[in-house]
Order: sequence, then C-alpha cells, then structure tokens
Amino acid sequence: AQRVTQPEKLLSVFKGAPVELKCNYSYSGSPELFWYVQYSRQRLQLLLRHISRESIKGFTADLNKGETSFHLKKPFAQEEDSAMYYCALSATNSGNTPLVFGKGTRLSVIA
Amino acid sequence: GAGVSQSPSNKVTEKGKDVELRCDPISGHTALYWYRQSLGQGLEFLIYFQGNSAPDKSGLPSDRFSAERTGGSVSTLTIQRTQQEDSAVYLCASNPLPGHSAKNIQYFGAGTRLSVL
Repeated sequence: AQRVTQPEKLLSVFKGAPVELKCNYSYSGSPELFWYVQYSRQRLQLLLRHISRESIKGFTADLNKGETSFHLKKPFAQEEDSAMYYCALSATNSGNTPLVFGKGTRLSVIA
Repeated sequence: GAGVSQSPSNKVTEKGKDVELRCDPISGHTALYWYRQSLGQGLEFLIYFQGNSAPDKSGLPSDRFSAERTGGSVSTLTIQRTQQEDSAVYLCASNPLPGHSAKNIQYFGAGTRLSVL
C-alpha cells in the first residue's frame, strides 16, 4: 500500500531563514511525487512535481529513491510562503489515478 | 468556466438528513476525484471516475456514501443519514486525458464545507 508521511504538523521559521518541509513515502514501484499548497482562503493548488525538476516560488524538491523522500526546500522563507503544504504520491505515471496525500504541514513564516 | 466548480460552498445540515454535493470539472477533463479534508487528517481519497464509471470506490467510508457522474461531466456525491463525523470539507478534483502533458496534475475545486449538527 502507498503511504505518505509528513512528520511535522506545524513548522515555524523566521523570514529569511531556510525552510525544509519533510516528506517520506512508502511505495514499491516508481511513484510520481507532488507538493500541493493551500494558501489561506484559496483552493489547493499544485506547487511542483518531481518530474518537472523546476523551482517554483523559490522552492525545490528532489526525489531521493534511496531514502524514499521528497523534501521541499527554500533557502530564504518569505511571509507569503505561510500556508498548508501537502506532499502527494501517484502510484503510476500513466495518469488518472487517485493521489495519496500526507496529512500536511502548516508553515508559518514569522516577520 | 476556468476551473473546477463545487456547490454549495457551505452546507449545514441536521444529523440524519441526506445531502448532495455537486462538482463541475474543467471542461474536457475525463477523470474526476472526490476527497475529504478533515482537520488533522489531511486529504482522504473517496472515489474516482474515469468518464462515467467509477473504477475505484475503495475510499468511500460507508454505504451511506455514494457518487455518480453523468455525461462525463458533472458529479454528485450523496451522503445519506448524515452523522456528525461526516463534517469536513469535501474536495473535488479533475485531470486531463492520459497522454496529455498535464495528465497527472489534479486541479481542485474550492470545496464544500459540510457541517452536521
């Protein structure tokens, strides 16, 4: 069975400090990993996906198959980064399969 | 419409009543998903549709929950005899055809906040 673990419910950092939101997964195949973000009073939206290898809003995430991790990182946190972050896994890369989500980490960036 | 649309945005009901939640996916998206978002529980998968059929209903928590999709478009999630533990935000998402470059990206609606008193 697939499982996504986000060990931190809440992460508070000061503005300008580095931030790392942890995500570990359990899946025997080759998953596709995502980070979704939900800002206050907005809908859940895709932040980034591992196959794109992009930096979005200064965030990056590298899939580490050896450690089964997909941690989200940003070198300098901004107040506007405060939001709920969800790591998610898709069990196939053929599309149209439900995502398995972690329980989320609330990031609070303090001015 | 530009995005996934859900209605109502808020629903307050009494325990024991039935409720219907509606989702209108992005035009042309073949797959549609229902999730439940509860405080501290993250997003819990309920059911997904490919076209009008539901290959995976494994997440429905009980037989009080059902969903249908007609015309490959709008979907309705029905909860019968609601209980207080059904209170949550119900999210709908859709994604495009396999083979599309964004095939595995799910686009979410704003959700329906259900409160069972």
